[in-house]
Amino acid sequence: GQNIDQPTEMTATEGAIVQINCTYQTSGFNGLFWYQQHAGEAPTFLSYNVLDGLEEKGRFSSFLSRSKGYSYLLLKELQMKDSASYLCAVMDSNYQLIWGAGTKLIIKP
Amino acid sequence: IAGITQAPTSQILAAGRRMTLRCTQDMRHNAMYWYRQDLGLGLRLIHYSNTAGTTGKGEVPDGYSVSRANTDDFPLTLASAVPSQTSVYFCASSDSSGTDTQYFGPGTRLTVL
Repeated sequence: GQNIDQPTEMTATEGAIVQINCTYQTSGFNGLFWYQQHAGEAPTFLSYNVLDGLEEKGRFSSFLSRSKGYSYLLLKELQMKDSASYLCAVMDSNYQLIWGAGTKLIIKP
Repeated sequence: IAGITQAPTSQILAAGRRMTLRCTQDMRHNAMYWYRQDLGLGLRLIHYSNTAGTTGKGEVPDGYSVSRANTDDFPLTLASAVPSQTSVYFCASSDSSGTDTQYFGPGTRLTVL
């Protein structure tokens, strides 16, 4: 079966750095997405990785290792507004997104 | 409007009733999707449409139907609602059905009693 694993919840301090991991087993791979979802709101796109390596976009970076079935989202200089759930999703061989349950990130002052 | 809109925002429905959730996008995207989101689970695809006039079944299609008469609209119908269909429903769209980014509507919170 297809499976996306990410931690249920993480806590970090304002101004710090946090890494959210995602491991996956899917039928085929056509890229990995990270989305941010604030409570009660829609998911919003953060990043897309299809090749191995690190993609940097401001305070957020995303890393992919296809051989290990592994990705992480790195958030730097954490701000209170970064408190949200972070969703990892893999596009399978049928070009359908398979979603993890999300990681709830709590930022403390 | 800009982006994707969904209606209603929330709804409480008696079991056995018919309900249509509406979704409209103004980005001229070809592909549209319906997901449900339940606590502790990832988003699950209900139905999708790669282009106007075509639809397909996702991971959890039972009890739901869709139509795609034009590019902009993609309604989701529950023919006879059951309590297990209590969920938050998100509509999304993307430029194409490949690896293009999916953009989400604000969601409909549905409670079936």
